[in-house]
Amino acid sequence: DAMVIQNPRYQVTQFGKPVTLSCSQTLNHNVMYWYQQKSSQAPKLLFHYYDKDFNNEADTPDNFQSRRPNTSFCFLDIRSPGLGDAAMYLCATSRDRDSYNEQFFGPGTRLTVL
Amino acid sequence: GQNIDQPTEMTATEGAIVQINCTYQTSGFNGLFWYQQHAGEAPTFLSYNVLDGLEEKGRFSSFLSRSKGYSYLLLKELQMKDSASYLCAVVDSNYQLIWGAGTKLIIKP
Repeated sequence: DAMVIQNPRYQVTQFGKPVTLSCSQTLNHNVMYWYQQKSSQAPKLLFHYYDKDFNNEADTPDNFQSRRPNTSFCFLDIRSPGLGDAAMYLCATSRDRDSYNEQFFGPGTRLTVL
Repeated sequence: GQNIDQPTEMTATEGAIVQINCTYQTSGFNGLFWYQQHAGEAPTFLSYNVLDGLEEKGRFSSFLSRSKGYSYLLLKELQMKDSASYLCAVVDSNYQLIWGAGTKLIIKP
């Protein structure tokens, strides 16, 4: 089945220790998104790739970086995690970027910062 | 600024009907999505509306009024598995999804 896969599902890191979250997709979608979601809050878009074109949200901290080496894979790097970065990180894909393009979500990675 | 408003929490009884409202103020409008999110899981797609009116899909229906900046999700014949958060999201003029904080629906036997 075509899907969005995130690894790991649970990640524990120490304050200030870099961490990388990964996402892969078998849908062959052009667009890949990274969201941060804290408990009982809306998902917050961090950035998205339209093919190789990187789009950073204005309020995404510099601490968060992303890489998309090919169509299938996208990585979220948190260079120096703080306690406030503990959250669920959701990867999503869509076929294209205009009107009706349902976003397909991976299962998420829950990040704990000690 | 852009804003999506939904009730924080609702409670309903198994077998009943519940309506979850969403009002929005966004820069442009290119459609509205409803997603379901169970605790600790990713959102899953429920519906998409871009024209005014009611879209029915099994036990779930979604309504849109663009002139009023308003949508609702109607859930019929509620089941315990419908306990989840329901997220309203609007596609703005830049084709970005603007998300509401979600409505936590609690179903009681």
